[in-house]
Amino acid sequence: NAGVTQTPKFQVLKTGQSMTLQCAQDMNHNSMYWYRQDPGMGLRLIYYSASEGTTDKGEVPNGYNVSRLNKREFSLRLESAAPSQTSVYFCASRLAGPVYNEQFFGPGTRLTVL
Amino acid sequence: EDKVVQSPLSLVVHEGDTVTLNCSYEVTNFRSLLWYKQEKKAPTFLFMLTSSGIEKKSGRLSSILDKKELFSILNITATQTGDSAVYLCAVDKEGAQKLVFGQGTRLTINP
Repeated sequence: NAGVTQTPKFQVLKTGQSMTLQCAQDMNHNSMYWYRQDPGMGLRLIYYSASEGTTDKGEVPNGYNVSRLNKREFSLRLESAAPSQTSVYFCASRLAGPVYNEQFFGPGTRLTVL
Repeated sequence: EDKVVQSPLSLVVHEGDTVTLNCSYEVTNFRSLLWYKQEKKAPTFLFMLTSSGIEKKSGRLSSILDKKELFSILNITATQTGDSAVYLCAVDKEGAQKLVFGQGTRLTINP
């Protein structure tokens, strides 16, 4: 049981390049999330997917797109990277329902945009 | 607008001290409050609180929620260097599929 996995662990991009961050979970969770974490800012929600087939914007969606490929996988795409997108990106998942269950986080991707 | 505010933002203490971390919130349709610990990598779950006045405890860590005054505290007694981390507070809302996080408290325990 791997939990939530993310690839890559580290990435360096030049301004204007594009890339996709991959996330997968094997816990049969219905909801998945992408956060970014900057120093002193806590976790800020970029996009989330409450269930397979749906995606919604979070607090900071500009410059990002997402795809909920299937129940297991939720990817985050940067079409034209900017230095302001330098951050640590965390994917999370949870089993959402009438009884709350906590979110489980992946190990993170450290992205630097030059 | 929903808001979760943690204090202090940063705290440095000596090993063996007791610390209290604070989390206040203003959200509509509150359901539960969660505490996470984040060391160098991903946040790990500590506690979930849904009812006022009921203490949750795990070893030297404990937490309590006050739904009237809209805050929670996380206590750590007899701190150890391994307690050094960022502690995150988050609030879950009824009918919402996402958490609202505070900024985190960076706790440093010096030997």
